[in-house]
Amino acid sequence: GIQVEQSPPDLILQEGANSTLRCNFSDSVNNLQWFHQNPWGQLINLFYIPSGTKQNGRLSATTVATERYSLLYISSSQTTDSGVYFCAVPTGTYKYIFGTGTRLKVLA
Amino acid sequence: DAGITQSPRHKVTETGTPVTLRCHQTENHRYMYWYRQDPGHGLRLIHYSYGVKDTDKGEVSDGYSVSRSKTEDFLLTLESATSSQTSVYFCAISDPLETQYFGPGTRLLVL
Repeated sequence: GIQVEQSPPDLILQEGANSTLRCNFSDSVNNLQWFHQNPWGQLINLFYIPSGTKQNGRLSATTVATERYSLLYISSSQTTDSGVYFCAVPTGTYKYIFGTGTRLKVLA
Repeated sequence: DAGITQSPRHKVTETGTPVTLRCHQTENHRYMYWYRQDPGHGLRLIHYSYGVKDTDKGEVSDGYSVSRSKTEDFLLTLESATSSQTSVYFCAISDPLETQYFGPGTRLLVL
């Protein structure tokens, strides 16, 4: 089945720094999702991005489906950005497989 | 935020007892999912539903069953809980070709 890898596994930033998180997948997909899990465990959807680029405030995401990767950019990071970031890709009509995540810690 | 709740939010039970977790939505989304989250494994799909009474297995379905008798409710049952089922359980909902929305999670401890 399709494999999903995220990098880096861990990332520590100073507040105000920028970062790029990567999601690689082993097969072609027709959509991709990014989620943020905050330190309290809540999972929040960030982007549904089959291809191209989307932006939401300080966050943006780009998916290049033909090259089987997606990038999540965080600019001017804040302590509230801390948590774990997951990407998820479909394995069938209804099912998704999640990567193991990138754990981000932003220091004040 | 999508209207999705899970109950109970925390549960402690003993090995061998049955446990039922409930996911309730007010958004009328077609698809519903149960995931478990464990350290080092991310989120893994247990079962999912693509309509009322239409369910199928995910990648870690052994020891779990589900039921969906109406659009808004998706139940996950552990027939005979084991310590390996200690985990955080998340429910999610979505419509076709749209993002998933997650519930707040249920923390289950099996002693």
